[in-house]
Amino acid sequence: EAGVAQSPRYKIIEKRQSVAFWCNPISGHATLYWYQQILGQGPKLLIQFQNNGVVDDSQLPKDRFSAERLKGVDSTLKIQPAKLEDSAVYLCASSFYGAEQYFGPGTRLTVT
Amino acid sequence: GESVGLHLPTLSVQEGDNSIINCAYSNSASDYFIWYKQESGKGPQFIIDIRSNMDKRQGQRVTVLLNKTVKHLSLQIAATQPGDSAVYFCAETPGATGRRALTFGSGTRLQVQP
Repeated sequence: EAGVAQSPRYKIIEKRQSVAFWCNPISGHATLYWYQQILGQGPKLLIQFQNNGVVDDSQLPKDRFSAERLKGVDSTLKIQPAKLEDSAVYLCASSFYGAEQYFGPGTRLTVT
Repeated sequence: GESVGLHLPTLSVQEGDNSIINCAYSNSASDYFIWYKQESGKGPQFIIDIRSNMDKRQGQRVTVLLNKTVKHLSLQIAATQPGDSAVYFCAETPGATGRRALTFGSGTRLQVQP
């Protein structure tokens, strides 16, 4: 079974620029999560989707972050404009209706 | 790959010894707990889980203990191997089905000396 795929793996941008991350969950997994992991900390939830609907986006900085999951499969997370404090690893995870979560390898974002 | 947990507490053990990693949680409503292992450059990997109606659960070389009275969780790794070197996170969620997103602890780095 293929795991959660994410791209790109690394991204370096200047502050105030825009960036987008892509996630392809495990086939058949209805629930998709985006987490932000700052170096030295545990992952923190940004947004949770159930199929193509948002379940929880209470910790998503909506003035600059947006996410969508069209057709209930792939998802994109966008940051516009980026700030220095957005430097982190962005992890995507998926689960079969809230069971065990499987994580992708993450995208490491560096904002300079 | 990038290094996970540069400033995390570190547990250093000798190969073959048993390791105990501890975690305190704060949400008394949490009903489902998971331990994850994260190697450098990779996403967290599920190790073992436990529901709040249990106080102990065993897997292959790993045991999780839950003490809800003091909100404490521990992960025991038997006969620690060099491949166990990683950062370990406990995570919690309200709801025994685990349908809510996880709240992660701050992590502990395990270093296994050969």
